[in-house]
Amino acid sequence: GAGVSQSPRYKVAKRGQDVALRCDPISGHVSLFWYQQALGQGPEFLTYFQNEAQLDKSGLPSDRFFAERPEGSVSTLKIQRTQQEDSAVYLCASSLDRTTEAFFGQGTRLTVV
Amino acid sequence: ELKVEQNPLFLSMQEEKNYTIYCNYSTTSDRLYWYRQDPGKSLESLFVLLSNGAVKQEGRLMASLDTKARLSTLHITAAVHDLSATYFCAGTSYNNNDMRFGAGTRLTVKP
Repeated sequence: GAGVSQSPRYKVAKRGQDVALRCDPISGHVSLFWYQQALGQGPEFLTYFQNEAQLDKSGLPSDRFFAERPEGSVSTLKIQRTQQEDSAVYLCASSLDRTTEAFFGQGTRLTVV
Repeated sequence: ELKVEQNPLFLSMQEEKNYTIYCNYSTTSDRLYWYRQDPGKSLESLFVLLSNGAVKQEGRLMASLDTKARLSTLHITAAVHDLSATYFCAGTSYNNNDMRFGAGTRLTVKP
């Protein structure tokens, strides 16, 4: 596709429910990032992939958060047993490589009730 | 870990006036980015600055990088209403691949 695509755009989850957020990066982009953006805040780094390898997951806030990119293209961010503090916009970005600019998707707005 | 600080966090501008947003970062960064975000929208890439002394301009926006001072600036010339948005700077460090963002500058242009 022309840009980074994320789905769903909006997700309402009951507390304790598991959710899966999908990211389709720009074709051919090696680098893929996940960010969490709370209302009125800057994006906070969650994790980084280079192709299928998850090189950095230092930003994942707890072991309830898990990300994968098994074939080096589409990535899924999974949150288990969602809590209210998980409510945020989850942004995915991709770049050709680590030296070029990253392009962001529209994000998934997660609301945990 | 790279820390990025922006100031001001809020900026109310008058049309046709000039303003500057400052971005300081804590450790050596090999790339500095500026992004724009409109309410409810994603981030739009504005500039990528790769080396000391780099200056890039697009329309009324000009970004520069001073790696020795660990400072980047985003200068707005003759502000117009459609520049109202939140502007983020982000940096990457040599040993890491992730971008670390500042808190953002919420910019409002008033007539």
